[in-house]
Amino acid sequence: DAGVIQSPRHEVTEMGQEVTLRCKPISGHNSLFWYRQTMMRGLELLIYFNNNVPIDDSGMPEDRFSAKMPNASFSTLKIQPSEPRDSAVYFCASSGRQPDSNQPQHFGDGTRLSIL
Amino acid sequence: AQSVAQPEDQVNVAEGNPLTVKCTYSVSGNPYLFWYVQYPNRGLQFLLKYITGDNLVKGSYGFEAEFNKSQTSFHLKKPSALVSDSALYFCAVRDRTGGSYIPTFGRGTSLIVHP
Repeated sequence: DAGVIQSPRHEVTEMGQEVTLRCKPISGHNSLFWYRQTMMRGLELLIYFNNNVPIDDSGMPEDRFSAKMPNASFSTLKIQPSEPRDSAVYFCASSGRQPDSNQPQHFGDGTRLSIL
Repeated sequence: AQSVAQPEDQVNVAEGNPLTVKCTYSVSGNPYLFWYVQYPNRGLQFLLKYITGDNLVKGSYGFEAEFNKSQTSFHLKKPSALVSDSALYFCAVRDRTGGSYIPTFGRGTSLIVHP
């Protein structure tokens, strides 16, 4: 089991640039979550996919953020244009047999994003 | 609606002493409850969960948690703390009868175990 794989692990870019974060969930999992973690706000859910379909995107901060899941093994979170307040650690997590499931989430090791 | 509270931002304990990290929850139905641990520069890792049945749940690394329905609590415990247990701990809840498919996480408790 390779676990949830995120790339890149670190990203430093200038304000206004487009940022794309990538996630490969665990094979066989059909639920995928994107989170953002900061000291001030803790762990925030951004978006939840089930069977590749976005189910809840109420946590996406604004139109600059978008997420896609073109297939069961890949998802992206894009920020365009990026701003310094987007600096955070972004996590992807997957779990199996949602929605009616008690299965825990499996988290990747995150992407540490710094917007200068 | 579902919510979870971790009332302590930080818990300090001496190595070898028992530790408790507190969690209380609120759901309209019955809960699934989870504990996760986060080490520096890593993602959250699952420790244990309560589904139903025995109120004392045992998990990874010697941790256990006690479900108390009357007090709506799910405190994490370990009989003897190790320095390597120092990390950030998250409690999460999902209302299995309330229609929410997404767990709610607490703000986390930083556990510091002193040698």
